[in-house]
Amino acid sequence: EIVLTQSPGTLSLSPGERATLSCRASQSVANNYLAWYQQKPGQAPRLLIYGASRRATGIPDRFSGSGSGTDFTLTISRLEPEDFAVYSCQQHGSSPPTFGQGTRLEIK
Amino acid sequence: QVQLQESGPGLVKPSQTLSLTCTVSGDFISSGYYYWTWIRQPAGKGLEWIGHFYTSGSTNYNPSLKSRVTISMDMSKNQFSLKLSSVTAADTAVYYCARDQNMGIDYWGPGTLVTVSS
Repeated sequence: EIVLTQSPGTLSLSPGERATLSCRASQSVANNYLAWYQQKPGQAPRLLIYGASRRATGIPDRFSGSGSGTDFTLTISRLEPEDFAVYSCQQHGSSPPTFGQGTRLEIK
Repeated sequence: QVQLQESGPGLVKPSQTLSLTCTVSGDFISSGYYYWTWIRQPAGKGLEWIGHFYTSGSTNYNPSLKSRVTISMDMSKNQFSLKLSSVTAADTAVYYCARDQNMGIDYWGPGTLVTVSS
């Protein structure tokens, strides 16, 4: 199965700053089937990005995804207070679908 | 608006079978091209895909759980279910049901905590 490694484990930033989160796959992700999710405490994950770079319905344009093959990035251009959460990547190009361990984005 | 809701016992004894049901509203599980999916998350850890049922009738399970997992559908009730046998403390987690459109998992239930303990 494909192992996804996210970095950093924790990212401490201030509102208004730019956040860059990384997701690296142990093998190439077929068709760039890579998604990003946001999860807040006690809540289910929320789909942000699919197909590596496509924003899901209702997601603000400050969220963007990029990358291909084995290296993917989620960028939040200017952090809002509600953006501080855990972010996870998921690949579903190969079975079984797998998730990264998550990056915690915390307020500095 | 599609909504999913998990239901089932919150406490299961070791070696017994965990059984959960997901009730879907706002969509028909028999229509469309979706994967009706179960995912779990142990406390403080990452998400783990358990398996899914495709509307064509096929199922796919995580190899790490395959020998213990069954996912089934009840079209008449618009529900799908998860059974996980021979549970241990390692199966303690929040269990989510979800709809996967093969472009990401777009709808999730709120999750239900299942604790395995005697």
